[in-house]
Amino acid sequence: SAVISQKPSRDICQRGTSLTIQCQVDSQVTMMFWYRQQPGQSLTLIATANQGSEATYESGFVIDKFPISRPNLTFSTLTVSNMSPEDSSIYLCSVRTANYGYTFGSGTRLTVV
Amino acid sequence: GENVEQHPSTLSVQEGDSAVIKCTYSDSASNYFPWYKQELGKGPQLIIDIRSNVGEKKDQRIAVTLNKTAKHFSLHITETQPEDSAVYFCAAGPSGNTPLVFGKGTRLSVIA
Repeated sequence: SAVISQKPSRDICQRGTSLTIQCQVDSQVTMMFWYRQQPGQSLTLIATANQGSEATYESGFVIDKFPISRPNLTFSTLTVSNMSPEDSSIYLCSVRTANYGYTFGSGTRLTVV
Repeated sequence: GENVEQHPSTLSVQEGDSAVIKCTYSDSASNYFPWYKQELGKGPQLIIDIRSNVGEKKDQRIAVTLNKTAKHFSLHITETQPEDSAVYFCAAGPSGNTPLVFGKGTRLSVIA
């Protein structure tokens, strides 16, 4: 399966600032996704990161708040903009491999103070 | 869209006993059903998956069963060990390049 490197692993940020999370995969993958996991909760899909075009956002998530880049088939970034304490969560990158398996990064634990 | 229900939300078992977690899904087009284990501070790790053309799959102490008619699938862990303690998530994958939909998770505690 694909190996995902996600950075940073954790951060504490001031409200009103922005944080960019990086996701690097060791092989080319077609599908990349960004999820949010609020404390003690399940995984909620934020968006599908599309290579060479705008990301596809799920209901409740907008590009101005969560801009996503996907410049190539191995890399993507998610920015959490103008942060508030409600954005404190774990953010996870996921990729879909050729055999339809989905692999997750180790996550970014974000705390907004 | 797809909706996945998972039960129970918490489960405590004695070491050596079996644990069963059940999920139901709504979209008959779903054809991929993985199970993930998430330990504290880590991302979800795939432990086993099953596709719609298979009714049961086993990997050592872990097995998954699928009933497509009833739209439910289950995770079975036998001879549980303390290191099996974690949160387990089921998911369903509709066909094509669409993302997984997750259940709400089950916190499994194995008591030594």
